[in-house]
Amino acid sequence: DAKTTQPNSMESNEEEPVHLPCNHSTISGTDYIHWYRQLPSQGPEYVIHGLTSNVNNRMASLAIAEDRKSSTLILHRATLRDAAVYYCIPSGSARQLTFGSGTQLTVLP
Amino acid sequence: DADVTQTPRNRITKTGKRIMLECSQTKGHDRMYWYRQDPGLGLQLIYYSFDVKDINKGEISDGYSVSRQAQAKFSLSLESAIPNQTALYFCATGTDNEQFFGPGTRLTVL
Repeated sequence: DAKTTQPNSMESNEEEPVHLPCNHSTISGTDYIHWYRQLPSQGPEYVIHGLTSNVNNRMASLAIAEDRKSSTLILHRATLRDAAVYYCIPSGSARQLTFGSGTQLTVLP
Repeated sequence: DADVTQTPRNRITKTGKRIMLECSQTKGHDRMYWYRQDPGLGLQLIYYSFDVKDINKGEISDGYSVSRQAQAKFSLSLESAIPNQTALYFCATGTDNEQFFGPGTRLTVL
């Protein structure tokens, strides 16, 4: 499995954009980059995933570096409900996901 | 109704007792998973099943067993619970693109 490095914690102000970084320098050429988040007292939930091109969905955008050694999850307007632990997971598919300790995002009102 | 349900949601038991945690899913997926989460840490995979006849050990299977009773049901057993199995337990189901998680079972072993 590719080793990932994420900040332990980040803060953001409500209604401002948030950029959550992830380094995955040992990612293989066929690994997707999956992002999940875990809200307090809940199970993880899928956010987004991508291979090479930037990806957008209703929750977030995923920007993938050209060399694929890093990626950034972008929340365009953070809300209090976005406070969660965000996990970056390189994997060939969602068949097997290895969760690290993630980034704890705090959203300030 | 929730796509993945877990019962019980909370359980307190004593050392040496046998415990079963149950998971049901209505997503219709073949793959199911059991994870454990200790405070402040990420999830660790205990067991996974890619179909009814397929059971595989994850990274921390010692002290646990599973049963896949049907496509929709996957149960986790602790044959003789010990205090360091106190944790949050999550069940999941999924596809190649996404895993869907249950709400978790908080287990305390005294």
